[in-house]
Amino acid sequence: DGGITQSPKYLFRKEGQNVTLSCEQNLNHDAMYWYRQDPGQGLRLIYYSQIVNDFQKGDIAEGYSVSREKKESFPLTVTSAQKNPTAFYLCASSFRTGRSNQPQHFGDGTRLSIL
Amino acid sequence: DQQVKQNSPSLSVQEGRISILNCDYTNSMFDYFLWYKKYPAEGPTFLISISSIKDKNEDGRFTVFLNKSAKHLSLHIVPSQPGDSAVYFCAASARTGRRALTFGSGTRLQVQP
Repeated sequence: DGGITQSPKYLFRKEGQNVTLSCEQNLNHDAMYWYRQDPGQGLRLIYYSQIVNDFQKGDIAEGYSVSREKKESFPLTVTSAQKNPTAFYLCASSFRTGRSNQPQHFGDGTRLSIL
Repeated sequence: DQQVKQNSPSLSVQEGRISILNCDYTNSMFDYFLWYKKYPAEGPTFLISISSIKDKNEDGRFTVFLNKSAKHLSLHIVPSQPGDSAVYFCAASARTGRRALTFGSGTRLQVQP
């Protein structure tokens, strides 16, 4: 069954710690994305990657880092430099857009809380 | 600067009636629009999309209308069912650049039995 798996579902972090959120997809999608959702707001783009070994900053990249060493995986690290990390984090993927548009499909998210 | 706006935070309709969710955008480079449905603590689920070369797209009970001159799109759900109760997000992407989605803030739909 193809899909996007995010783990863990809930994550707690102490002040000053880095934490890594996992995102794996078996849809053979080229592009992957990380979004953040805060209460009462829409999703905001953190980072995205169109192909392996390449990624770009989104609108709110400060305090975050990513890697894309494999097509299937796009982990997000929330560093201690992120001042307000408590949020719901969503990973998405899609085929690369060419002649036709492609919708993004989402995982079920990771809720990060600061202790 | 909100490029995609959903001005109604909530909407309540009776089962069997039509639900109309609205979305406005400001970026004239947007050429692909999507609607997602989201339950709490889950990821958004793709519902329906429309390209800017069309003004209507239909999929079962769901129809999306696009008015490019007004920079407005709407999602119609007919007939509405209690299982449709969720938060609906409008999203858009531009014809150039990153192709990531810009989301509205969502509208919570409640369908009353």
